[in-house]
Amino acid sequence: AAGVIQSPRHLIKEKRETATLKCYPIPRHDTVYWYQQGPGQDPQFLISFYEKMQSDKGSIPDRFSAQQFSDYHSELNMSSLELGDSALYFCASNYVVAGPSTDTQYFGPGTRLTVL
Amino acid sequence: LAKTTQPISMDSYEGQEVNITCSHNNIATNDYITWYQQFPSQGPRFIIQGYKTKVTNEVASLFIPADRKSSTLSLPRVSLSDTAVYYCLVGPWVIGGYQKVTFGTGTKLQVIP
Repeated sequence: AAGVIQSPRHLIKEKRETATLKCYPIPRHDTVYWYQQGPGQDPQFLISFYEKMQSDKGSIPDRFSAQQFSDYHSELNMSSLELGDSALYFCASNYVVAGPSTDTQYFGPGTRLTVL
Repeated sequence: LAKTTQPISMDSYEGQEVNITCSHNNIATNDYITWYQQFPSQGPRFIIQGYKTKVTNEVASLFIPADRKSSTLSLPRVSLSDTAVYYCLVGPWVIGGYQKVTFGTGTKLQVIP
């Protein structure tokens, strides 16, 4: 079965540079979520999109922005990178139907961002 | 979103049954209980989900008492490959919208040979 695809899998950047992470949800999934997981920490919700509109926002820094495109893929843009941004960034997707649904999300393999 | 409390870590020998309990005292009527498993450097993976009583699938069982203020994930006959962090999440049904999954502090299960 198709899974969530994230690219790149690894990324190394210098401080103050920018980075763009991409997420391709499972086909027919209409909702995308982004999470950040620092070393030894639990995943922290950043932002989500439903049908190409931002649906919720968590602890996402103002330096970060994201969007979901017409083909439902999503990109997380990170500017003025700081050392503390080094983390695993996960994308998850699901299909939110117009009926009772539950919070089962399918996670991608993650992008490991290292800021030097 | 309901706050959850789990043990930080647990050790178990191979072949034993492991039970991980999660407390969620302020669970709401429309909240479901979901468990995820995460291996190092991998994305969390859905294990099981339930609303009340008992749910079983090919991987685990989930026991939820009548008051729903706690839940217990049961892993039968664990193997070394079950060494991972297990997260308990509590969140609402979603109708025609989205939902936010809030990860609390998971339980790090170490399976010992």
